[in-house]
Amino acid sequence: NAGVTQTPKFQVLKTGQSMTLQCAQDMNHNSMYWYRQDPGMGLRLIYYSASEGTTDKGEVPNGYNVSRLNKREFSLRLESAAPSQTSVYFCASSPEATGRNYGYTFGSGTRLTVV
Amino acid sequence: GNSVTQMEGPVTLSEEAFLTINCTYTATGYPSLFWYVQYPGEGLQLLLKATKADDKGSNKGFEATYRKETTSFHLEKGSVQVSDSAVYFCALRDTGTASKLTFGTGTRLQVTL
Repeated sequence: NAGVTQTPKFQVLKTGQSMTLQCAQDMNHNSMYWYRQDPGMGLRLIYYSASEGTTDKGEVPNGYNVSRLNKREFSLRLESAAPSQTSVYFCASSPEATGRNYGYTFGSGTRLTVV
Repeated sequence: GNSVTQMEGPVTLSEEAFLTINCTYTATGYPSLFWYVQYPGEGLQLLLKATKADDKGSNKGFEATYRKETTSFHLEKGSVQVSDSAVYFCALRDTGTASKLTFGTGTRLQVTL
């Protein structure tokens, strides 16, 4: 089982460039999430999708957009990259949005550097 | 709101030492509690969980007990190995619509020979 697959694994962007981070899960999960991880700050939620067709902002949505393309795929777009967006980005999924007993399954991350 | 507080790291131990990583939480509802582990260059993996008070989660020699009276979920292992070197995250997931995981900031564990 692949679980949660993120592409690319590494990316270097110039300030002002745009890019889309891809995420796909094969577990038939309803909910998907995008986090960023920065040193000393743990994980911060950028956007999430409780179910196919819905998306909502998390703690740090500024500078990002998302698309829940179908039940499997949830992409994160940086329209105009800034050095402050240098981070490691993780996608995660969960069987459902309201199930407190479920944890998340994480992808292996995308390491993004904006110069 | 909900929050998770973990002890600051790094924690440096010799192989076969006893490990405790403290975690306390604040929640408005009745949450489930989780420990995740992140090995270098990888994503987070679920290590163990507990869904109600006095439950003990366990996996790979790690244990944590859900203590409602002290709002704590401390991670323990009796004898650590070099391969346990990683960052450990405590997290909670509360009740309610669109409930999401709330993470602590992580504790780095370094185990030396």
